[in-house]
Amino acid sequence: QKEVEQDPGPLSVPEGAIVSLNCTYSNSAFQYFMWYRQYSRKGPELLMYTYSSGNKEDGRFTAQVDKSSKYISLFIRDSQPSDSATYLCAMSAAAGNKLTFGGGTRVLVKP
Amino acid sequence: DADVTQTPRNRITKTGKRIMLECSQTKGHDRMYWYRQDPGLGLRLIYYSFDVKDINKGEISDGYSVSRQAQAKFSLSLESAIPNQTALYFCATSVGAEETQYFGPGTRLLVL
Repeated sequence: QKEVEQDPGPLSVPEGAIVSLNCTYSNSAFQYFMWYRQYSRKGPELLMYTYSSGNKEDGRFTAQVDKSSKYISLFIRDSQPSDSATYLCAMSAAAGNKLTFGGGTRVLVKP
Repeated sequence: DADVTQTPRNRITKTGKRIMLECSQTKGHDRMYWYRQDPGLGLRLIYYSFDVKDINKGEISDGYSVSRQAQAKFSLSLESAIPNQTALYFCATSVGAEETQYFGPGTRLLVL
């Protein structure tokens, strides 16, 4: 079993809908949680970063962490075709420690 | 200019050949990483280096070696390429204890 599980999708939604993405993990030592966005033929770029449990909001993006359930989520409101990409969750146990990535979820927002 | 560059961007090679992928960064970061990406498997860490004199194996280092020639340069070598090393390879950098890693554009490698 992988340490971090993520549904590969694809997840297809109409423009303007809410996109809901999630990852589950097995290592209770993880404390730092990230979401990366990767466009086709590009490197991943950091989208959201959260420490420990709780919510974090940045514009149309909201990241949630539930450490008791070992479950993290990313919500994209008012989705746009430009949000079409692969979204990767990543996590680590300590600051500056190496990251463990999920397999990524491909998202397609249709105009 | 891009902060993290990788060369070549695409490479086709044959089984048994030695190949080197290069990564350079202008961000001044001390930490550098090499990952491979395969469909559905996300990014898996091959090697990482926290400074010029520090090299560490990641989860899938077999068949690979690295060289940190300078703070700004980190090379990945496949000593004898095999077909299952066909993948997308990414270099990344970070600074100190910060979690953010900055990725290069990737090298698409095909081993025939």
